Formats: sequence, structure tokens, C-alpha cells
Amino acid sequence: GESVGLHLPTLSVQEGDNSIINCAYSNSASDYFIWYKQESGKGPQFIIDIRSNMDKRQGQRVTVLLNKTVKHLSLQIAATQPGDSAVYFCAWRNGSQGNLIFGKGTKLSVKP
Amino acid sequence: ETGVTQTPRHLVMGMTNKKSLKCEQHLGHNAMYWYKQSAKKPLELMFVYSLEERVENNSVPSRFSPECPNSSHLFLHLHTLQPEDSALYLCASSPGTGNYEQYFGPGTRLTVT
Repeated sequence: GESVGLHLPTLSVQEGDNSIINCAYSNSASDYFIWYKQESGKGPQFIIDIRSNMDKRQGQRVTVLLNKTVKHLSLQIAATQPGDSAVYFCAWRNGSQGNLIFGKGTKLSVKP
Repeated sequence: ETGVTQTPRHLVMGMTNKKSLKCEQHLGHNAMYWYKQSAKKPLELMFVYSLEERVENNSVPSRFSPECPNSSHLFLHLHTLQPEDSALYLCASSPGTGNYEQYFGPGTRLTVT
């Protein structure tokens, strides 16, 4: 599941700090958004989703924020842990009927 | 684990070979997907099956041929591939093709020599 070579944006944080990963999506008609985590050697793992009738949704240690005005999605991870080190992808439905479109991803590196 | 398994995990094949990738989901889902993840691009959707019927084919070359014999199994048959087809091939499933998260398998790392 490695994405080496894609020249991913990288976010480096200290263990215990909060992380914010950002994503810009392209389709203003998109009504469903997902964040995935992909660790090395594994497939993407679902973290949290949000529908377009919401602007915020919280999970366990994670919060997703949706700003439809500027087509921006963010994932906040509280008290980041070494196990959070991975590549994080946002995905959005292509309009209200289409399939998921995936962003490039951001590599999160947590320093102990 | 996600309940989606893929075999083999690694595959090296020559350009004249024929091989198949297998995916199985144990989640009772009705939709299954093939994606390609290469080093230079984001995840690319290749094929979508809903209730064993192909509902989308994203202009994938004919050297990739999918097969969905039932809602739990999905195959990707490969023949006369090119080196640029080397990538991680991911299978996913979801309850349906609507607003549902997709559950991914671990992928098959394919190298074409």
C-alpha cells in the first residue's frame, strides 16, 4: 500500500499533538465524503465519513470538517500517536450519483 | 481486518503471461470494485460490479478483464500486460453503490517485467 514516488505532501507532528490534514475536492455537487488511512503494505482503511448536509462530524479522536463553500475537507486527529503514521486519503462522491474520487493523499509522520 | 481478502499478495509476470487476481468479500455486500494504485497517480477506479452485473468500466484497456461469478467473488484476468501496468491492485466492496464507505482488501502488488 505504499505510495512512495507520488511526492505526497507530508505532515510531521510530535506525538501527543493534534494533526490537521486538508483536502480540496473538485465537484461542488458531491454529497458524500470519506477519509481513509493507508498504512504501508495494507489497503485503505475507513476512518470517518460525512454527508453534505453536515459541516462537522466527530469520531473517536477524529473530527471531519466540511466547508462546501470552498470545497474543502479536513481531518483532525487529536493526541496523535505513532500508530497514526500513515498516508491519509480523502474521497468524495462524483456528484450525487457517481463513484468515489480519491485525492492524492497526505503522509502523516509522528515523531515519538 | 476488513473482511476483504485478495490473492496473491505479490505477483511478477512477463508481458506474454496470463494471470488472474482474486478477491473475496465476507461482508455480505452487493457491490465490488477494482482499483489501481500506482506510484504516480491517486487511486483509479477500474471496474464496478453491483449484484454481479458490471455497472461501470472506466475506459480500462481490454488486457484487463474482470469477472464477477457471484456477489462474494471478483476476479481480474490479466493478459499481455505492459510494464506501466505495474501497480498495486486493490479490491473493495460496499453494501451498495450509493453513499456507503468501501471496504478495501490488502491489494496485490503486480510487477510486469
